Amino acid sequence: GEDVEQSLFLSVREGDSSVINCTYTDSSSTYLYWYKQEPGAGLQLLTYIFSNMDMKQDQRLTVLLNKKDKHLSLRIADTQTGDSAIYFCAERKTTSGTYKYIFGTGTRLKVLA
Amino acid sequence: DGGITQSPKYLFRKEGQNVTLSCEQNLNHDAMYWYRQDPGQGLRLIYYSQIVNDFQKGDIAEGYSVSREKKESFPLTVTSAQKNPTAFYLCASRSQGARTEAFFGQGTRLTVV
Repeated sequence: GEDVEQSLFLSVREGDSSVINCTYTDSSSTYLYWYKQEPGAGLQLLTYIFSNMDMKQDQRLTVLLNKKDKHLSLRIADTQTGDSAIYFCAERKTTSGTYKYIFGTGTRLKVLA
Repeated sequence: DGGITQSPKYLFRKEGQNVTLSCEQNLNHDAMYWYRQDPGQGLRLIYYSQIVNDFQKGDIAEGYSVSREKKESFPLTVTSAQKNPTAFYLCASRSQGARTEAFFGQGTRLTVV
């Protein structure tokens, strides 16, 4: 498909793990990203993964990449109420020597106390 | 501190008026981007610029215009030709070096009445 796809909503209990999934479009995309957006604010980079990796861990965050299926996931361990936000995956595509970032629809994570 | 500044945070305009959104960065980044965000649709690329005095249309450029006369500034004009201008607008920039991610401003919410 032409769109980066994410499910729109996810609800978890505080202390549980959250897994947010994403399907991207271009198998030649070299960098894939996860951003977090709090209400009324811009996007904050959480982490990124280079396409020659299949996993990256950064404190409570684990990114898994399946290049064959063009599938990216973000796991948040010990989810806290402060993790409630919209999470966007993005791929960096190269078009005519320029870089463009293509974003998914965003997954709204709600953490229940 | 270095960053991207979008102003104003909230903007109200009457239908039929052109309006210009400001985006300034002091990160010495070459590339700059404008995105539009609507609920449930993620971020869509309006225009991007890889270098001063050069810019390209993104996926939804109709009804918008930009200029890139200075490296640090990439203003976006929403013209009266844009059929549905009410949205949250995000500006981003990226360096040409090893750091590959896009850095975002805090956004401008435009409401046309």
